[in-house]
Parts: sequence; C-alpha cells; structure tokens
Amino acid sequence: NAGVTQTPKFQVLKTGQSMTLQCAQDMNHNSMYWYRQDPGMGLRLIYYSASEGTTDKGEVPNGYNVSRLNKREFSLRLESAAPSQTSVYFCASGDGQYYGYTFGSGTRLTVV
Amino acid sequence: DQQVKQNSPSLSVQEGRISILNCDYTNSMFDYFLWYKKYPAEGPTFLISISSIKDKNEDGRFTVFLNKSAKHLSLHIVPSQPGDSAVYFCAALKAAGNKLTFGGGTRVLVKP
Repeated sequence: NAGVTQTPKFQVLKTGQSMTLQCAQDMNHNSMYWYRQDPGMGLRLIYYSASEGTTDKGEVPNGYNVSRLNKREFSLRLESAAPSQTSVYFCASGDGQYYGYTFGSGTRLTVV
Repeated sequence: DQQVKQNSPSLSVQEGRISILNCDYTNSMFDYFLWYKKYPAEGPTFLISISSIKDKNEDGRFTVFLNKSAKHLSLHIVPSQPGDSAVYFCAALKAAGNKLTFGGGTRVLVKP
C-alpha cells in the first residue's frame, strides 16, 4: 500500500542547475498534481494532469515543466533552478471529490 | 487573490478542550470543502469534508460546519489530544476540474 511515492526526499541545487522530481502512484487514479508549500502560503498548484496524455498549468507554473509519462507517473522538471524555487514539493493523485487527494511525503528542495 | 483564507496562523489549546479552526472563502462556486492535517516531514492527509449543500458533517471528534451565506467554515476538534498537534489546511474543490485550492494553514499545539 505505497500510495504516492516521491523521489528524492531532499535535494540541494545550485542556481542554474536542472533536476527532475519523480512521482508515482499505485492507486489507479486518473488525475495527478504537483504542489509547492511555502510558509504562510499554504499549498499552491504548479501543474496538474487530469488524465494520461494531458497536462495543464496551475497557479504558479513559471519555471517548471511536467511530463505525464503514463497513468502511474508524473514528473516535475526545473530547467534552470532559482533561489525562489526553494520549497517543499508535494505530488498528489486523486479522482474523488469529497475526499480530495492522496499526497506523497514531499521533496524538500533548496536552491543556493 | 487568495480564494481560501485561514486568518489564524497558530492556535494553542489545552488537552481535553475544544479546538476551533476557521476558514473563509470567496468563490461561491466551490462544491466541497475539505480539511487536511499535516505532520512535519509528511504529506497532508485527508481529515474530513463537507458538501456545499450541507451545513454540518461529523466524524468522531471532528466536526465541520459550513455557513454559505458568510462563506465561512470551521473545524471543531473535541476533545483535543496531544496527537492532534499539527498544521491544518482548509481546502476547497470545484467538481468540474477536480482541483483543490488551499488556505495558508493553521498550526495547532495541544498542551498536555
């Protein structure tokens, strides 16, 4: 019963470096999401994928790209990391309405 | 423009007493309202939700109240326990689009 698995759990990048955050779910959900959490800001939606083969921008998409590789996997890429992207990133999946999503345990990213 | 707001960043309560967390929203088109609980270094987990057509939902020690005319909801935890110490996020969902919008969170500390 893994649910939503994110890798890595921690990462430190230098400004300008690139990296990909990986996310996989085993609950057969159609929809997957990437959020970032910053102090006092709650969780803000970066990108989402309503179904395999589709992706859409959320509230804060600038500086990010995503790939819905298949139904299970949804990756988030930072092409040129900036200090403003220092945050905790959460992947989630879910098709339900009254119970929302299931979240992964997060990736803590620091850009120096 | 924050559509979901939690105006109290923190709350401290004695064990056994009631915790009341508040949340305001601006968009009358939300279909569901949800509360998530988050421990440090973990992802948010679903706690309780309420449909926009109801005004109360109860699950054990947790009760959510919805006042649509005031665009306000609250979460009551009775009695509060030390294990309830966490950050609580209010969230709102439109059924079309299936995207959650989160408030900024309220950190609850339950003192033994």
